[in-house]
Amino acid sequence: QVQLQQSGPGLVKPSQTLSLTCVISGDSISNYTVAWNWIRQSPSRGLEWLGRTYYRSKWNSDYAVSVKGRLTINPDTSKNQFSLQLNSVSPEDTALYYCVREDIRTGLDCWGQGTLVTVSS
Amino acid sequence: EIVLTQSPATLSLSPGERATLSCRASQSVSSFLAWYQQKPGQAPRLLIYDASKRATGIAARFSGSGSGTDFTLTISNLEPEDFAVYYCQQRSSWPTFGGGTKVEIK
Repeated sequence: QVQLQQSGPGLVKPSQTLSLTCVISGDSISNYTVAWNWIRQSPSRGLEWLGRTYYRSKWNSDYAVSVKGRLTINPDTSKNQFSLQLNSVSPEDTALYYCVREDIRTGLDCWGQGTLVTVSS
Repeated sequence: EIVLTQSPATLSLSPGERATLSCRASQSVSSFLAWYQQKPGQAPRLLIYDASKRATGIAARFSGSGSGTDFTLTISNLEPEDFAVYYCQQRSSWPTFGGGTKVEIK
């Protein structure tokens, strides 16, 4: 049974970097049939896909246009985890952030517990 | 970006009734459409993928249909635990979600 455990601060100051980590158990981050996503949810923007990383002979990442240039998603194979780094945050980045496993045959089939991140001074 | 529009925003029904939820895409997504259920304080849960296939462990009262731009999620006999918010999501291109339909107890 796959489980995702998120960690990271719940409060970030404007203009700083938001960093979250997602530890994977029950699966390998290098699984060829899976991608590892970050998705956030807020009342104003609803559910918003941010990006993903996946291994297909080499590591790849895709990012949403809305955060491209500010977002980096990195895999860490030694710890079987992946991370999110969102630079230059503003109050509009306040949201509940989820790490999510995506099976390429089915969809977003396993979600982390969520981390509420508030951007405020 | 493919925009998904869900209707109605809220559906008020009684246990035992049938729920019919709609999702319309701004352009064709073929059958790459999924449905998720979210309860308060929980993450979304995958119910249906590829428009009509039930995910592992999902009860048979949940069914999906449609292709192209128009999709439907049907809950045939509402159980008390089915009152929640439902989202559609497409993976034809970069993933996007609909705004959700809340199924509430009448």
